[in-house]
Amino acid sequence: NAGVTQTPKFQVLKTGQSMTLQCAQDMNHNSMYWYRQDPGMGLRLIYYSASEGTTDKGEVPNGYNVSRLNKREFSLRLESAAPSQTSVYFCASRAWDRDAQPQHFGDGTRLSIL
Amino acid sequence: AQKVTQAQTEISVVEKEDVTLDCVYETRDTTYYLFWYKQPPSGELVFLIRRNSFDEQNEISGRYSWNFQKSTSSFNFTITASQVVDSAVYFCALLPRTQGGSEKLVFGKGTKLTVNP
Repeated sequence: NAGVTQTPKFQVLKTGQSMTLQCAQDMNHNSMYWYRQDPGMGLRLIYYSASEGTTDKGEVPNGYNVSRLNKREFSLRLESAAPSQTSVYFCASRAWDRDAQPQHFGDGTRLSIL
Repeated sequence: AQKVTQAQTEISVVEKEDVTLDCVYETRDTTYYLFWYKQPPSGELVFLIRRNSFDEQNEISGRYSWNFQKSTSSFNFTITASQVVDSAVYFCALLPRTQGGSEKLVFGKGTKLTVNP
């Protein structure tokens, strides 16, 4: 079972470059999420998609855009990368039902902006 | 406002000691869910437990146990007879229950547990 797959696993960018982080899940989950994890800050929500066709801002959306391409895929784009966006990025998904299911996480993308 | 506080930033214990990780949450919702996740040094996030606000029964799973107390808004996690493999960052999280499926998980900042041999 693949679960949640993120690509790439590592990336180094120069300031000003653009990049798209890919995320795909094979669990038929409705909701998908993008988080960033920084030392001492825990996980902070960037954007989420409660269901196919909808996206909403989370806690730290500035500098990012997202696309819910279909039910399986949710991408995160950095249009003009900045050093402050150096972080570990996690994608997650979960089923949306009456009894809240836990989020399942990908293995993360380590992104460095020079 | 929804908030999760894990006051212990880092804990260090010696193998076989018991250790409790604290989690205090804030929410105005009457229906909500609480979670614990483990992040080992390899970096992935592993789901450990889910508890809903109507179920205050404590849970035990092997060496792990969880104590949920609504009166103090706490959901603490105890590892009995800790092992080196328990070394990880542990996150407590709150999922407020709203309509429409747009619920957002709120994470604490995590507690880094180091178990020394």
